[in-house]
Amino acid sequence: ETGVTQTPRHLVMGMTNKKSLKCEQHLGHNAMYWYKQSAKKPLELMFVYNFKEQTENNSVPSRFSPECPNSSHLFLHLHTLQPEDSALYLCASSRLGTSGGSETQYFGPGTRLLVL
Amino acid sequence: TQLLEQSPQFLSIQEGENLTVYCNSSSVFSSLQWYRQEPGEGPVLLVTVVTGGEVKKLKRLTFQFGDARKDSSLHITAAQPGDTGLYLCAGGSEKLVFGKGMKLTVNP
Repeated sequence: ETGVTQTPRHLVMGMTNKKSLKCEQHLGHNAMYWYKQSAKKPLELMFVYNFKEQTENNSVPSRFSPECPNSSHLFLHLHTLQPEDSALYLCASSRLGTSGGSETQYFGPGTRLLVL
Repeated sequence: TQLLEQSPQFLSIQEGENLTVYCNSSSVFSSLQWYRQEPGEGPVLLVTVVTGGEVKKLKRLTFQFGDARKDSSLHITAAQPGDTGLYLCAGGSEKLVFGKGMKLTVNP
């Protein structure tokens, strides 16, 4: 138990569906992240939020839409996904260091997404 | 663009054997982190190394950060089936860069 929870743990959706992934951190952190983990590829950073403000969008297609209502919650809204979007989606959180960089990132268990 | 190359990518060994995993880059990192990920779970931090030449030990795991802070290694002594998993190295500050990982299987 890392203090970062994600729901749902598994999700199957069609290409026309709209769904949302939820992440919650109980660590008092002020930075949150979405990563995509596909087979045979390194973990890919998708989005970064610092103090609820998006500071990084790593060229992610618009069919992925993040939302960070407060520093403890992070959502990833999904619509009209493609089969190649099937992957493990990981949420992480960290504190921001005094120099502006992040400290250790703690990961949630991930949501295994299958797009049919 | 900072890249981290891990080798080997796959390793299957018998219980009791020793192994070393390497994480290499042409870039200098202020720190490197090692994670272990089990199937269906997120990565769990094992250690962070920050000083060139630093060696850290975590039970049977020994982590070393290269003098130039461009590479790191993880050595496991007397591997156990419970060590099975994906070992990831990562570097950077706000934007972590991950290697592809080394998938370790330890057979009883």
